[in-house]
Amino acid sequence: EPEVTQTPSHQVTQMGQEVILRCVPISNHLYFYWYRQILGQKVEFLVSFYNNEISEKSEIFDDQFSVERPDGSNFTLKIRSTKLEDSAMYFCASTPGQGVAYGYTFGSGTRLTVV
Amino acid sequence: AQSVTQLDSQVPVFEEAPVELRCNYSSSVSVYLFWYVQYPNQGLQLLLKYLSGSTLVKGINGFEAEFNKSQTSFHLRKPSVHISDTAEYFCAAQGGSEKLVFGKGTKLTVNP
Repeated sequence: EPEVTQTPSHQVTQMGQEVILRCVPISNHLYFYWYRQILGQKVEFLVSFYNNEISEKSEIFDDQFSVERPDGSNFTLKIRSTKLEDSAMYFCASTPGQGVAYGYTFGSGTRLTVV
Repeated sequence: AQSVTQLDSQVPVFEEAPVELRCNYSSSVSVYLFWYVQYPNQGLQLLLKYLSGSTLVKGINGFEAEFNKSQTSFHLRKPSVHISDTAEYFCAAQGGSEKLVFGKGTKLTVNP
C-alpha cells in the first residue's frame, strides 16, 4: 500500500537554528499538508499546499515557517529560527483530491526536539 | 469554527471486553467526522468516517461509531478488544475548509 514517508524520524536542534523536515507524499496525490502535535496537546493543522501554492494556513504558520515542493516528489517544511515551543511531532499528509471523500494519508511523523 | 473534545485521555480495558471511546464536537456548519488510530511509531491511520447517510458507521478492525447529531457525539465502539488494539485514538472533524480539527486523543491500553 502506498505510504507517505517522513525523514528523519527524530531530529534534535539547537534553539535559533534552521531545520527542514522532509516528506515524500504518495506519487499521484495533489494536495499536501503539515500538522503538528505538541506533547500532550491536540494535533493541529499548520498548512495545506496545492499547485505549488499555500491554499490555507493556520495562525501558527507565521513567517518563521515555509513550505516547498522543490522537485516534484519531496514536500518540505522549514522552520527558520527554531524556538523551544516548536518542539513537537510534525505529521505530513497527502490526498489525491480536495474534499472529504478523499481520505488523508499521514506519514509516521518527525519528532522535533529543540534544546 | 469546529472543536473536538475527547473526554478520556486514557482508557484501560481487559482483553475481550467491550470499549467505548467518547468524542463530542461543536460546529457552526455541517461537519464530517473521522476516527484515526496511531500505533506506536506509526502514522495516523483512518479507522472510519462519517460523511452522510446512515448514522452507524463501520470501520476497520471491527470498530464502529455512531453519529448523534442531537448530542453532537461520535463515539467509537468495539464489542471485544484485542491486545493489538492498544494504540492512541484520535477523533477529528472537517467542515467548511480542508483542514481537520483533532481532539487530544485517547490512549487505549488493552490488558491480558
